[in-house]
This record gives sequence, structure tokens and C-alpha cells, in this order.
Amino acid sequence: GDSVTQMEGPVTLSEEAFLTINCTYTATGYPSLFWYVQYPGEGLQLLLKATKADDKGSNKGFEATYRKETTSFHLEKGSVQVSDSAVYFCALGTSTTSGTYKYIFGTGTRLKVLA
Amino acid sequence: DAGVIQSPRHEVTEMGQEVTLRCKPISGHNSLFWYRQTMMRGLELLIYFNNNVPIDDSGMPEDRFSAKMPNASFSTLKIQPSEPRDSAVYFCASSFEDRVYSNQPQHFGDGTRLSIL
Repeated sequence: GDSVTQMEGPVTLSEEAFLTINCTYTATGYPSLFWYVQYPGEGLQLLLKATKADDKGSNKGFEATYRKETTSFHLEKGSVQVSDSAVYFCALGTSTTSGTYKYIFGTGTRLKVLA
Repeated sequence: DAGVIQSPRHEVTEMGQEVTLRCKPISGHNSLFWYRQTMMRGLELLIYFNNNVPIDDSGMPEDRFSAKMPNASFSTLKIQPSEPRDSAVYFCASSFEDRVYSNQPQHFGDGTRLSIL
């Protein structure tokens, strides 16, 4: 079945370091891919998305490229800030045979950025 | 836009009591999702409505849990009777889906933190 696998956390970085959070997926169809961010005490917020192969989603300095050949959607940021400390979720959305849609979330990766 | 609105934000009650969580989705959205988040199990989909009809309730833990969506602007998740293991943060999310604008992102509320003593 469809699934999302993302790297285990926590990830601890110093401010201005380069960030990569790995995400790979398994899907039978042509899913859309998403990264969500969750700050303490809040719900998940959409960070970026990509709807087809080779699309690059970007927002707030974060980027991820939809790689069909490697079934990956890794999240990157060139220079992290303390305010980026949060939990990051990779997710896919795909159509079902019944005409509805299915969303699958990864387990989340906690990022802690030290000043 | 007001966003997804959940109430209450916090609920503390004793085991055996009935708990009702409420959600108002974003106006115009036709899909609504209830999730449960715990440290041990992460984010779990409980139930998914499309056009007010339950599409997938396979994540509902047991008969103590029930969810309704009487109209496009309101949904409830009820636990009766509640147990300590139901303690978690419960999120409601909504999205707009149709065959043209497929795979739109979900918009989450801020959640209800539920503690069952």
C-alpha cells in the first residue's frame, strides 16, 4: 500500500547550518507531495507542496523537489534559524479508485536549532 | 479566512464521562478529517468525511468513538465512555477536493488537548 517514510529525529543543528530531512514514499498512482510544519501547541501548517514529478515546492527558505525516479521529496534549507525549531511532517495525497482522496502522513521529524 | 476552528482547546475530565469535541471547517471546504496525535503513535487518521458523508472510518479505535457531520459547517467527535488511554491531542482538518482540484492540502485547527483522569 501507499506509505511515507521520513528520517527519525530529533535533528539538532546550530543556527545557520544546512538542513536536510529525508522523505521517501511508495504510491501506486501519481500523488501530490507535501511538507507540513507543527510548532509547539499548534496544528500542522502547510509548508510547501509539489503536484508532479520534477516540481519544486518552496516557502520561507525551505525547498523540496518531487523526484519520481528516487520516490523522494527531501526537505532542505540553506541556513536554519532558531525559529525553525518544530516538527516537520512529510505527506502524500492520492486519488482512490472510489473517486475520493487519501492522505498519508509520515511520523514527523523534530528539529531543534541551537543559537 | 477564519481557518479551522476547534473547541474546546483543552478538556480535562474523569474516566467514564462523555466527551464531545467540536469542529468548524473552513467555509467552502467539502472534506473534513479527525486526527489523534500522541507521542507513542504519532498522527493517526480517525475518520474522513466528504460532502458530509463518512468515507473512511477505519481509524476509529472502537465503538466508544463516534463522529457526525450534520452539515457542511460543523462536525463533532464524541467519546463515551472516556478512558485514560484516550488522552491525546485531537485535530480537525479540512480541505477542498474535486476531480479538477485534486490533492489539495489540508488545513488544520489548533487541536483539542484532552486529558482523561
